[in-house]
Amino acid sequence: GAVVSQHPSWVICKSGTSVKIECRSLDFQATTMFWYRQFPKQSLMLMATSNEGSKATYEQGVEKDKFLINHASLTLSTLTVTSAHPEDSSFYICSATVGSTNEQFFGPGTRLTVL
Amino acid sequence: KNQVEQSPQSLIILEGKNCTLQCNYTVSPFSNLRWYKQDTGRGPVSLTIMTFSENTKSNGRYTATLDADTKQSSLHITASQLSDSASYICVVSRFNKFYFGSGTKLNVKP
Repeated sequence: GAVVSQHPSWVICKSGTSVKIECRSLDFQATTMFWYRQFPKQSLMLMATSNEGSKATYEQGVEKDKFLINHASLTLSTLTVTSAHPEDSSFYICSATVGSTNEQFFGPGTRLTVL
Repeated sequence: KNQVEQSPQSLIILEGKNCTLQCNYTVSPFSNLRWYKQDTGRGPVSLTIMTFSENTKSNGRYTATLDADTKQSSLHITASQLSDSASYICVVSRFNKFYFGSGTKLNVKP
C-alpha cells in the first residue's frame, strides 16, 4: 500500500515553455504533499508543501510564480514549471503523507531536461 | 538550528561485506527517524522508521539503531549485495517538518 506515482517520468522541453508534472497517491488520501528538487549528486531540496484546497507554502528562495502548485484533491497535486530555462533541468520528486502517521511516501521522480 | 548530518559522504565496500552508516541530528524533540534508500534516478524508498522510544528496527539485511540521548542513529547493512549500491538518506521529522541528511553514497563492488 501507500503508492505514490508521478507523471511523466521524464520530459524534455524547449526553453520558454511550461511543463506540468502530476503527483498522485494511488491507494490513500494524502493529507499533505511535498515537492522536492534534486540536482545531480545532491540531496533532496524541499520546494513547497501543499495541502488540499489551500495555497502551497513555498520554501525560501523558491519562486511561487515560476513553480505553480495546484492541490485540487486529496490524491492529486501538480507542479507546473513556467517559462522553463535550462537551469530548471533537474529531478523533481513529490511525496505524500497520510493521517497521523506522519510517514512520507515518495514518488519515483520526474526527470526534466530543458533545452 | 535543526540539522541532520550523515557520514561518511561516500563508501566503497566489497560484495558480501558489512557496513555501517551514521546519522547525527540536532532536531529536538522529534517525531520519528527514517532511513531511506534512493537508487539513482528513482525516488527514495523507506527502509526503517523509528520513534524516539525505539532503539532498533530491522528490515531484512538492514538494521537501524537509535540513541535518543546522544541523538545518533546508524544503519547497518549485512552481507552487502551489488543491489545495495545507492544513496542512503536519514530523515528526522518534527511535527510536520522533515529534515534531510545529505545522504551516504554506497558503492558495492564485486
